[in-house]
Amino acid sequence: GQSLEQPSEVTAVEGAIVQINCTYQTSGFYGLSWYQQHDGGAPTFLSYNALDGLEETGRFSSFLSRSDSYGYLLLQELQMKDSASYFCAVHRGVNRDDKIIFGKGTRLHILP
Amino acid sequence: DAGITQSPRHKVTETGTPVTLRCHQTENHRYMYWYRQDPGHGLRLIHYSYGVKDTDKGEVSDGYSVSRSKTEDFLLTLESATSSQTSVYFCAISNTNEQFFGPGTRLTVL
Repeated sequence: GQSLEQPSEVTAVEGAIVQINCTYQTSGFYGLSWYQQHDGGAPTFLSYNALDGLEETGRFSSFLSRSDSYGYLLLQELQMKDSASYFCAVHRGVNRDDKIIFGKGTRLHILP
Repeated sequence: DAGITQSPRHKVTETGTPVTLRCHQTENHRYMYWYRQDPGHGLRLIHYSYGVKDTDKGEVSDGYSVSRSKTEDFLLTLESATSSQTSVYFCAISNTNEQFFGPGTRLTVL
């Protein structure tokens, strides 16, 4: 079967660093995406990894290890506005019409 | 922001009635998707389209149908709504690995 596992909730302190993990087991893998969603809002794209290693975009970084079927999202210098849900998503093929599977999401709570 | 809208934004309907949700884009993206989002389940793909008149099923397609007669419009139809279809529905578009999501439609089936 297909599965993506990520923690349901994570709590961190403002200004700190937090890592949100995602492990996957899918038939076919081409890449891993991350999305952010604030309460009442729509998901917004954060990053995409097709190759092993770390991709950095400002305060956010995303890592992928294809051999371990594992990735993570790293958020640095946490701000209160980072309080949101974060979803990992597996792209199962190179073509855009291959179905994307989303994890159930990680709720990030940030304490002042 | 990507030009993607959904209508209606909110709808309350009764069990057994047909419902159609509309997704409209102005970006000329090839791919369009319908998801539902429920607590504890994340985003689940209902149907998607990879071109005009080209659609395929997602993981939770039972009870739903779609149509795409124009690049810009992707319709999701619940032929006979059930209470289990109460959810928030998101449309998304893409041309690359990045998906752009619409604002969502909150559907309540009584």
